[in-house]
Amino acid sequence: SQKIEQNSEALNIQEGKTATLTCNYTNYSPAYLQWYRQDPGRGPVFLLLIRENEKEKRKERLKVTFDTTLKQSLFHITASQPADSATYLCALVPRSTGGYQKVTFGTGTKLQVIP
Amino acid sequence: SAVISQKPSRDICQRGTSLTIQCQVDSQVTMMFWYRQQPGQSLTLIATANQGSEATYESGFVIDKFPISRPNLTFSTLTVSNMSPEDSSIYLCSVERDREIAEAFFGQGTRLTVV
Repeated sequence: SQKIEQNSEALNIQEGKTATLTCNYTNYSPAYLQWYRQDPGRGPVFLLLIRENEKEKRKERLKVTFDTTLKQSLFHITASQPADSATYLCALVPRSTGGYQKVTFGTGTKLQVIP
Repeated sequence: SAVISQKPSRDICQRGTSLTIQCQVDSQVTMMFWYRQQPGQSLTLIATANQGSEATYESGFVIDKFPISRPNLTFSTLTVSNMSPEDSSIYLCSVERDREIAEAFFGQGTRLTVV
């Protein structure tokens, strides 16, 4: 069965360092991989999307890599700030079949940036 | 983007009762999605709601337990019926801006506690 794995343990890093979060998946061939941010008591907020034929995508301090051979995506936040503290979810989007795309979400990794 | 208003934001309910959650979108959308997020777990899709047709339920979810209404293109409700403590969870509604890439926008969620 399809499975998405993210580190269930919280990631604590020092302010200013680069945070790296991992998303691994099995039994899946996604067309897209998404990353979301979720703050306590709020719904997830879309951050970045990377396509299956892309290796890397950047947006400001965020960088996402996608290795379809390893079935892994890495999400990097450079120059991390306490305001980056949140739970980060990865999500996989299947190839379009004409209908809606059922998105599969990971459990998320909680990031804590320490001042 | 889409702005989604969901209410109530939280509620504490007695077992055996029902709760209806409302979701209002600031623009017309074809499909609305209802998710459940249990503590420490990923978002799980309950059903997809199209205007003018019956909702499509995912495996493990049934209409009698989670009836959904979709009276127009900007509004939907999810009812959690005959609640038990196992229904305690966060319930989220969502819409997608682009069907192909499935970039999702979420409401703030409803935190339900059943006692």
